[in-house]
Amino acid sequence: QKEVEQDPGPLSVPEGAIVSLNCTYSNSAFQYFMWYRQYSRKGPELLMYTYSSGNKEDGRFTAQVDKSSKYISLFIRDSQPSDSATYLCAMSANSGAGSYQLTFGKGTKLSVIP
Amino acid sequence: DSGVTQTPKHLITATGQRVTLRCSPRSGDLSVYWYQQSLDQGLQFLIHYYNGEERAKGNILERFSAQQFPDLHSELNLSSLELGDSALYFCASSVGQGAIGELFFGEGSRLTVL
Repeated sequence: QKEVEQDPGPLSVPEGAIVSLNCTYSNSAFQYFMWYRQYSRKGPELLMYTYSSGNKEDGRFTAQVDKSSKYISLFIRDSQPSDSATYLCAMSANSGAGSYQLTFGKGTKLSVIP
Repeated sequence: DSGVTQTPKHLITATGQRVTLRCSPRSGDLSVYWYQQSLDQGLQFLIHYYNGEERAKGNILERFSAQQFPDLHSELNLSSLELGDSALYFCASSVGQGAIGELFFGEGSRLTVL
């Protein structure tokens, strides 16, 4: 079992839809939880991060973490064609010597159709 | 633009050859991370340097090596290349040691081994 599991999709939704992206993980040492967005031919960019269980909102984006279930989600409200990208969940744990390493999910490719 | 510069953007070479990928981190960032991205494996952590010192190793092959120079730029050396080494190689940088995943990624170097 991989440490982080993410459905690769692809996921296609109409403009204005609510999108739900999810990841599960197995390593209890993960402390920080992030979502990165990667446009085609670009590097990933950080969308949101959270530390504790619960919800965190930023504009149309809501990140949700449930540590008891080892499950994280990203919700996108009123999705726009510009949201079309690959979304990667990432989690970090202290790997020693003060270094935190990110473990990424494989990414879910999202297409928002006008 | 993340501020992280990677060269070359594209590289085509033959099996058995050696290549060097270069990364210039954002101004002020002390950490450099190297990741490999392939369709089947997703983003895989290779190695982390902080202020010139190796801090953590991930799934980096013995044929691969890296270093971070006094001016903080980094190079990833890939030798005895195999077909399976074809992938996107990303460099990322951060101010600290990536505790909350605030990594800034370059646009990647696409390596094709023929």
